Amino acid sequence: GENVEQHPSTLSVQEGDSAVIKCTYSDSASNYFPWYKQELGKGPQLIIDIRSNVGEKKDQRIAVTLNKTAKHFSLHITETQPEDSAVYFCAASSGTASKLTFGTGTRLQVTL
Amino acid sequence: SAVISQKPSRDICQRGTSLTIQCQVDSQVTMMFWYRQQPGQSLTLIATANQGSEATYESGFVIDKFPISRPNLTFSTLTVSNMSPEDSSIYLCSVGSSGVREQYFGPGTRLTVT
Repeated sequence: GENVEQHPSTLSVQEGDSAVIKCTYSDSASNYFPWYKQELGKGPQLIIDIRSNVGEKKDQRIAVTLNKTAKHFSLHITETQPEDSAVYFCAASSGTASKLTFGTGTRLQVTL
Repeated sequence: SAVISQKPSRDICQRGTSLTIQCQVDSQVTMMFWYRQQPGQSLTLIATANQGSEATYESGFVIDKFPISRPNLTFSTLTVSNMSPEDSSIYLCSVGSSGVREQYFGPGTRLTVT
């Protein structure tokens, strides 16, 4: 089955700096890669996703890149703000069953 | 996206008892899923709740321990049976629609077993 690795497990940045979280996947059939943000005491919130037919997608301060050859994808957050502090999960899926395999999570802390 | 609610939001239960968690969506959805998130860990899929048929369980999860119901397109329940402290986790439902890849999560149920 699919295996998703995520790094780093914790990340501390100063407000205004950029943050990058990286994930690798094992199943070459995976073609959908969402990113979720989970704040304390809440369920995961879908913040951005990318499909295998594109290499990059942006939405305001966040962007995701995908390298299908290397089987890795990354989340980029620019101009970080304290409200970006949360745990971020990457995930991967294939086919139309929508079954998601999650990475291990990255705890991002944005300091003033 | 759909508005998803879960009941209860949290509970403390004694070992050996069972707890049923409800997931309600404000619109009809094709797919409903149940995940477990152990303390400080990632999310693991328990099963896919299929409307009108038995749930599809992932490896390591069995129906006797986690019976699931899906009576219609807006509601599902997950029961955690004969609980032990190892069942202490956050249980999350998520929803999606066929042909659409996005999946949205409820707020979760935080379960503590003593």
